[in-house]
Amino acid sequence: QLQLQESGPGLVKPSETLSLTCIVSGGSINSGRYYWGWIRQPPGKGLEWIGSVYYSGISYDNPSPSLKSRVTISIDTSKNQFSLKLSSVTAADTAVYSCARVLGGRGRHYYLDVWGRGTTVTVSS
Amino acid sequence: EIVMTQSPTTLSVSPGERATLSCRASQSVSSNLAWYQQKPGQAPRLLIYDASTRATDVPARFSGSGSGTEFTLTISSLQSEDFAVYFCQQYSNWPLTFGGGTKVEIK
Repeated sequence: QLQLQESGPGLVKPSETLSLTCIVSGGSINSGRYYWGWIRQPPGKGLEWIGSVYYSGISYDNPSPSLKSRVTISIDTSKNQFSLKLSSVTAADTAVYSCARVLGGRGRHYYLDVWGRGTTVTVSS
Repeated sequence: EIVMTQSPTTLSVSPGERATLSCRASQSVSSNLAWYQQKPGQAPRLLIYDASTRATDVPARFSGSGSGTEFTLTISSLQSEDFAVYFCQQYSNWPLTFGGGTKVEIK
């Protein structure tokens, strides 16, 4: 059974870079049928799609002003994991960050069929 | 981006009763819509995709309907394990967007 587990610091200082890793177990990340994505949910707000990465390394970012080209998503197929970096964080980036597997292909993203439980990241000095 | 709006925010239902949850898109998403269930401390679970197709191992009491801009998730007879937050997601346009969620609570 495929499982995803987020890991990384729970506290990040303003202006620094948030770094999270999603470890995939029970299946291979090296599949052309899926994208590997990141989602976040700030306290009291809805879910926001951050972006995704394909096994080939191609990434797809959300052009949302709230993310402002600060996102880097990468994949390490040898370790069966993928990562998120969000630079120049502010308090507005405080959220539960989740990783997920996304069915898709040829640039099309569909639904998220497996999710991690999420990890809380607080931006504070 | 496409804005997804769910209603109501909270739905109070007695066990055994029917629950009807709504999701509206700001523009047509055809049938490119999924529904998820999330319980506290757990990963979200895919329930429905393509607006009306149940995911693997999802009980038949869960059904989805709609197309275009109006969608409905129906739970025919609420069981104790169904009290949770439900949210919708469109995958018609980039970026993927989600509804704000409906909390189904015990009445």
